[in-house]
Amino acid sequence: EDQVTQSPEALRLQEGESSSLNCSYTVSGLRGLFWYRQDPGKGPEFLFTLYSAGEEKEKERLKATLTKKESFLHITAPKPEDSATYLCAVRAYGQNFVFGPGTRLSVLP
Amino acid sequence: GAVVSQHPSWVICKSGTSVKIECRSLDFQATTMFWYRQFPKQSLMLMATSNEGSKATYEQGVEKDKFLINHASLTLSTLTVTSAHPEDSSFYICSAEPGHTTEAFFGQGTRLTVV
Repeated sequence: EDQVTQSPEALRLQEGESSSLNCSYTVSGLRGLFWYRQDPGKGPEFLFTLYSAGEEKEKERLKATLTKKESFLHITAPKPEDSATYLCAVRAYGQNFVFGPGTRLSVLP
Repeated sequence: GAVVSQHPSWVICKSGTSVKIECRSLDFQATTMFWYRQFPKQSLMLMATSNEGSKATYEQGVEKDKFLINHASLTLSTLTVTSAHPEDSSFYICSAEPGHTTEAFFGQGTRLTVV
């Protein structure tokens, strides 16, 4: 059974304090690993798709990396507007998305 | 691109009535649409998967007679919560998958409150 766990459950950072969020997964035949951002009361917003170990993608202050067992979302010099819940999901071939529980990030000014 | 619009964003209804939620892909054709339910501070729970022109596939434990899904076109799927009860109050989110990619894109969500 495909599974996704995320850590930490919640993270508080000072503005400018870089950190990383972890997504650990088990899946049979990875089609893709996905990162989404979700603001309170909103639907998830797509950030990245990673397909194979060693792949990296960047967008502004965010950088996602992938290994065979986990993915990291690195946040460099975060700003208060980066505060949100970050969701990780995996998808195996022929299967639906499996979402992790998310990491609630708070960036304090 | 890849915009998904969900309507309404919130709705309050009386117990026993039915509520319809629409999910539209605005700038692409969605071969598959997904409906999720999300409880406070919890992740997304997949309710059903729908493909245009065919019956939806419901996840185990989801009542298909209570949550009616219609995927009438490549840009529109609807979820109807029939005979709603207070325990159906939740945040419902749809997502749509363009046929040529692996990603799915989400609507804004609908907050349903049954009183």
